[in-house]
Amino acid sequence: EPEVTQTPSHQVTQMGQEVILRCVPISNHLYFYWYRQILGQKVEFLVSFYNNEISEKSEIFDDQFSVERPDGSNFTLKIRSTKLEDSAMYFCASSILADNEQFFGPGTRLTVL
Amino acid sequence: GNSVTQMEGPVTLSEEAFLTINCTYTATGYPSLFWYVQYPGEGLQLLLKATKADDKGSNKGFEATYRKETTSFHLEKGSVQVSDSAVYFCALSSGNTGNQFYFGTGTSLTVIP
Repeated sequence: EPEVTQTPSHQVTQMGQEVILRCVPISNHLYFYWYRQILGQKVEFLVSFYNNEISEKSEIFDDQFSVERPDGSNFTLKIRSTKLEDSAMYFCASSILADNEQFFGPGTRLTVL
Repeated sequence: GNSVTQMEGPVTLSEEAFLTINCTYTATGYPSLFWYVQYPGEGLQLLLKATKADDKGSNKGFEATYRKETTSFHLEKGSVQVSDSAVYFCALSSGNTGNQFYFGTGTSLTVIP
């Protein structure tokens, strides 16, 4: 069964460093998403992406964040200069159409020291 | 705006007990509703969904009915198993172009033999 994959599973970084989280969505899906879950809190929407551009973003997704689909398979989330409060689990998701269920990857746990 | 309020956990039940996890929502428009499950160390998996009022979603013995009059989507299972131990998330989709999902805080369920 096709699935969304994410790498790495755990990333540890120093405050101020740049990180890139990688995702491979399901191959025939057209819509891509990033969410994050701070420990003990809700899963929060960050951004949605369709047709090589951002469809929607939340207030969390400020200038420190960017997304890219560098080739036909990968979907990346970059945090330019990490802060302590960026420590969270980051989930990538994809869907075939805009109003379909989203399929989630296993997540990348980001720890900022 | 859109939001989901979910029953606080954790919930501990004996095997074969009846499960209810309450979920209510606030939404503009006509959202689709979902229950996702997260097993330890894994990503979010779709458990069931309902796309319009009075629809019942069901899967693996779990059920939830989309109740517009009470803005609820409570999750139920008649007889839980140890393997059902996980965190359960209620979610709604905005249905707009970005298809942002709004999640509840999650309810941790532990089923003891």
